[in-house]
Amino acid sequence: ILNVEQSPQSLHVQEGDSTNFTCSFPSSNFYALHWYRWETAKSPEALFVMTLNGDEKKKGRISATLNTKEGYSYLYIKGSQPEDSATYLCASLAYGGATNKLIFGTGTLLAVQP
Amino acid sequence: DSGVTQTPKHLITATGQRVTLRCSPRSGDLSVYWYQQSLDQGLQFLIQYYNGEERAKGNILERFSAQQFPDLHSELNLSSLELGDSALYFCASSRRGLNEKLFFGSGTQLSVL
Repeated sequence: ILNVEQSPQSLHVQEGDSTNFTCSFPSSNFYALHWYRWETAKSPEALFVMTLNGDEKKKGRISATLNTKEGYSYLYIKGSQPEDSATYLCASLAYGGATNKLIFGTGTLLAVQP
Repeated sequence: DSGVTQTPKHLITATGQRVTLRCSPRSGDLSVYWYQQSLDQGLQFLIQYYNGEERAKGNILERFSAQQFPDLHSELNLSSLELGDSALYFCASSRRGLNEKLFFGSGTQLSVL
């Protein structure tokens, strides 16, 4: 995998459903994986930054896991609420020699119906 | 409120013109990043500054330039504007580097007519 890829592109769920999305990233020279929540007409807001294989982070009903060996991260939302509706972005940071760059995926758009 | 201030929020200009976008990072943050969000594209990294010095360069066109001033605010200069430069430009900041969360400004929506 050369780019950061997110799936699905979009997701429609009912209030109360639990859901998860996937972020795939290059596993070579991995340094950190970021998750952001981006609501319409607002700016991206950081959820997590993870660096270690097996890392698991939680913020309220949202949690994320990281597998650096196989190059993927999962974001879970338990009991989705309408206010969870947003685009969820992941971004991968790899060592790039003299400079490091944070590469973003195109996001998963989540719509939670009341 | 992320603490990152971007001005202006909206900018409408004509092809061939030059514009300057301004960003003030969160208090205490030394790194500033510029990203471009176009239709159907993810956030595209343009350039990073750390404590006044250029740290990393992404897909930034030669017509674009940036700098970070001693007070750590940053400006992104876009010249000889083309229709395709129309996009949402974000500035973000972090304390030091990319192993920390980025805090994004509200963006500048640039429309080139």
